[in-house]
Amino acid sequence: AQTVTQSQPEMSVQEAETVTLSCTYDTSENNYYLFWYKQPPSRQMILVIRQEAYKQQNATENRFSVNFQKAAKSFSLKISDSQLGDTAMYFCAFIFPSSNTGKLIFGQGTTLQVKP
Amino acid sequence: KAGVTQTPRYLIKTRGQQVTLSCSPISGHRSVSWYQQTPGQGLQFLFEYFSETQRNKGNFPGRFSGRQFSNSRSEMNVSTLELGDSALYLCASSRRSVGQGVSEQYFGPGTRLTVT
Repeated sequence: AQTVTQSQPEMSVQEAETVTLSCTYDTSENNYYLFWYKQPPSRQMILVIRQEAYKQQNATENRFSVNFQKAAKSFSLKISDSQLGDTAMYFCAFIFPSSNTGKLIFGQGTTLQVKP
Repeated sequence: KAGVTQTPRYLIKTRGQQVTLSCSPISGHRSVSWYQQTPGQGLQFLFEYFSETQRNKGNFPGRFSGRQFSNSRSEMNVSTLELGDSALYLCASSRRSVGQGVSEQYFGPGTRLTVT
């Protein structure tokens, strides 16, 4: 079974500090893409960062970076210099291009609150 | 470039009625996927359309259907609405070519459906 697990339902962080959100997944596939999506209170799902499984280098996008451990099937998101606008629910997800379907598999989400 | 648009943004329907939701993908994107989001079940894949053909379907009853037009716009229809169909319905578009799978998806703002 292909599953995504986010073990932290809720987290909080002080503004300007760093926080790490955890994600583990299970698959027997070798080729896949991993994503972190952000869903603020507006409910708009926003793509934060993407990682191709065949790339060893961890992806970074400004204040957002990932720690991708393929053997451990772990894909955590680090948010540096947290801002109030980072308050949102964060979803870890993956997709298999070889499956020829447009199906993202999501975790249950982590609600992150950034406190002033 | 304009993002994914969904109409309407909010709907209130009565049990037993039917509803049609619309999604316009990002220009140049030919794949549209639909997801249902509820507090209890999280994000669940409904189906994906590419080149006017349904490519994959999630585990939903036949009351949920969809279609895609030649301009890549997609509609989903839910017939005989049940209270449990109350949810946020998200569509996502992605680039896709024949013979290639889907990579990242970009989401619309969603349609909030309430069934009373």
